[in-house]
Amino acid sequence: QSVVTQPPSASGTPGQRVTISCSGSSSNIGSNTVNWYQQLPGTAPKLLIYSNNKRPSGVPDRFSGSKSGSSASLAISGLQSEDEADYYCAAWDDSLNGYVFGTGTKVTAL
Amino acid sequence: EVQLLEFGGGLTQPGGSLRLSCAASGFTFSNNAMTWVRQAPGKGLEWVSAISGRGSDTYYADSVKGRFTISRDNSKNTLHLQMNSLRAEDTAIYYCVKGLYTPDSWGQGTLVTVSS
Repeated sequence: QSVVTQPPSASGTPGQRVTISCSGSSSNIGSNTVNWYQQLPGTAPKLLIYSNNKRPSGVPDRFSGSKSGSSASLAISGLQSEDEADYYCAAWDDSLNGYVFGTGTKVTAL
Repeated sequence: EVQLLEFGGGLTQPGGSLRLSCAASGFTFSNNAMTWVRQAPGKGLEWVSAISGRGSDTYYADSVKGRFTISRDNSKNTLHLQMNSLRAEDTAIYYCVKGLYTPDSWGQGTLVTVSS
């Protein structure tokens, strides 16, 4: 069982804004930066957001990240059908001395 | 362009062993920590192990500690994961990923199946 929790699902109509929450603790999100990964069906995960709110080259600016205390969130503004995927937050955990992934959220475009 | 190619997966019986490898190219391998992440069928991502660039520091998830050993050969730009005493719950796709605190580039993964 992961120590970082996310809602199992989120959805919206195309063009809507969708937000995914990520709740951790003082040993992970509370003291380290948060990364987000997107996993399209049948593919390997891809880094989507790093250091809480930075986008790697090539990631559309409709994806944004934020962090407050021991929680973080990912926002998709202007949801598109190709955004249907599983999304995972993650951070280093100082107590476990390892990297922890969130439980994952499946995003559906209605 | 970063490329990571995993190999060595396959079918093995409970209690058996497998050695995964990951061939890296497109970046200075010895300057980068490396990580293994796995994903059981239909499940989420699970961090497994990581190793520093020079190989002097290693990290393990509690679920594999004492059974798995991570290592690297910087002369061959290759990462390894020796998996012993395998259990059914180790069945997963194993991904090789560049980085430690921010794993960024992922390989396509290799499937490990533990079943009698």
